[in-house]
Amino acid sequence: AQSVAQPEDQVNVAEGNPLTVKCTYSVSGNPYLFWYVQYPNRGLQFLLKYITGDNLVKGSYGFEAEFNKSQTSFHLKKPSALVSDSALYFCAVTPRGSSNTGKLIFGQGTTLQVKP
Amino acid sequence: NAGVTQTPKFQVLKTGQSMTLQCAQDMNHNSMYWYRQDPGMGLRLIYYSASEGTTDKGEVPNGYNVSRLNKREFSLRLESAAPSQTSVYFCASSATGQSLQPQHFGDGTRLSIL
Repeated sequence: AQSVAQPEDQVNVAEGNPLTVKCTYSVSGNPYLFWYVQYPNRGLQFLLKYITGDNLVKGSYGFEAEFNKSQTSFHLKKPSALVSDSALYFCAVTPRGSSNTGKLIFGQGTTLQVKP
Repeated sequence: NAGVTQTPKFQVLKTGQSMTLQCAQDMNHNSMYWYRQDPGMGLRLIYYSASEGTTDKGEVPNGYNVSRLNKREFSLRLESAAPSQTSVYFCASSATGQSLQPQHFGDGTRLSIL
């Protein structure tokens, strides 16, 4: 079965420190990879995606993600965390192919807590 | 810039009652999706519509029906609500194709079933 794993329920970092939110996936082929962020009582917002090319993808709000094909991982990173980055983060994947309908498979989410 | 609009934002139902969750998008997207979000489980796809006139089941379709009314609107119906359907429901839309575009989400409907 295809799946996405976010091994940490919560990540705590101090403001100004680098952050990493981990994601691994088990999907056949070379899937499209996404990160979304959710603030309280809001819908998900798109942060970045990997389609092809450079393994380091840059996205919104200073976030970036590193794709590693051999480890089937797509970790979210930011060099310097802000308190306002505190939110729930979701990794998601969708298989490629002619039948692609954009259906996403989500990880369970990781709460990021940035402390002043 | 409305994006994806969901109504209602909150609802409390009794077991056995029915209701329809409404969703509309103004981005001219072909594809629309309904998800439910439960603590510790991420988002799970209930139904999706790849284009106007088509719908298909997702991961957890039991107890739900959908209607793609037109290109803008995609509704989710609970015919006989059960406490297990207490959840936050999100509608999303995207412009799918070879160049895969991200999904845009509404702010959700918080549904409690007593």
